[in-house]
Amino acid sequence: AQSVSQHNHHVILSEAASLELGCNYSYGGTVNLFWYVQYPGQHLQLLLKYFSGDPLVKGIKGFEAEFIKSKFSFNLRKPSVQWSDTAEYFCAVRGTGTASKLTFGTGTRLQVTL
Amino acid sequence: GAVVSQHPSWVICKSGTSVKIECRSLDFQATTMFWYRQFPKQSLMLMATSNEGSKATYEQGVEKDKFLINHASLTLSTLTVTSAHPEDSSFYICSARDQGADSPLHFGNGTRLTVT
Repeated sequence: AQSVSQHNHHVILSEAASLELGCNYSYGGTVNLFWYVQYPGQHLQLLLKYFSGDPLVKGIKGFEAEFIKSKFSFNLRKPSVQWSDTAEYFCAVRGTGTASKLTFGTGTRLQVTL
Repeated sequence: GAVVSQHPSWVICKSGTSVKIECRSLDFQATTMFWYRQFPKQSLMLMATSNEGSKATYEQGVEKDKFLINHASLTLSTLTVTSAHPEDSSFYICSARDQGADSPLHFGNGTRLTVT
């Protein structure tokens, strides 16, 4: 069964600090990988996704993630966070079939202080 | 862009009653919709996959007779929590995927259910 592990449950950073959120997955096959963000009071939004090709994926709002197949990891990074990045971040993995299920990690709550 | 509308956004009901939650894809057709449940401080847990025109596929441990799913059209899936109990209180979220395996999921805003 596929699973996703997010190591940091709650991260507090000052504005302009660099961010890296860990994500490791377990799946016996080719995967699609995603990071979703949920801002307070809003619905989940896609930040970025990896399907194939360049393992360094750039998403919206300056976020990027790197797929390292040998480590089964897909860590999310941002060089300089802003107060508006305060949100909950979910890593997710899915197999490549049409009806494949999306499995989420437990989420990381990011709090950015001024 | 693609939008998924979920209704209601919050609902309070008494134990023993049933509650229906609607999930609509507003500007695309979704042959598959997904229903998730999120417990406080926990991840989104997939409850079931809703397939248009056929029976839903439930995840292990999810009672199909308690969480009735109907996907009658390409734009609407409903989740009915039957004979609700306080332990069913949770945040329920639906998602739908536009055509194609490579399309990302679009999520509804979620429904917060409180059973008293």
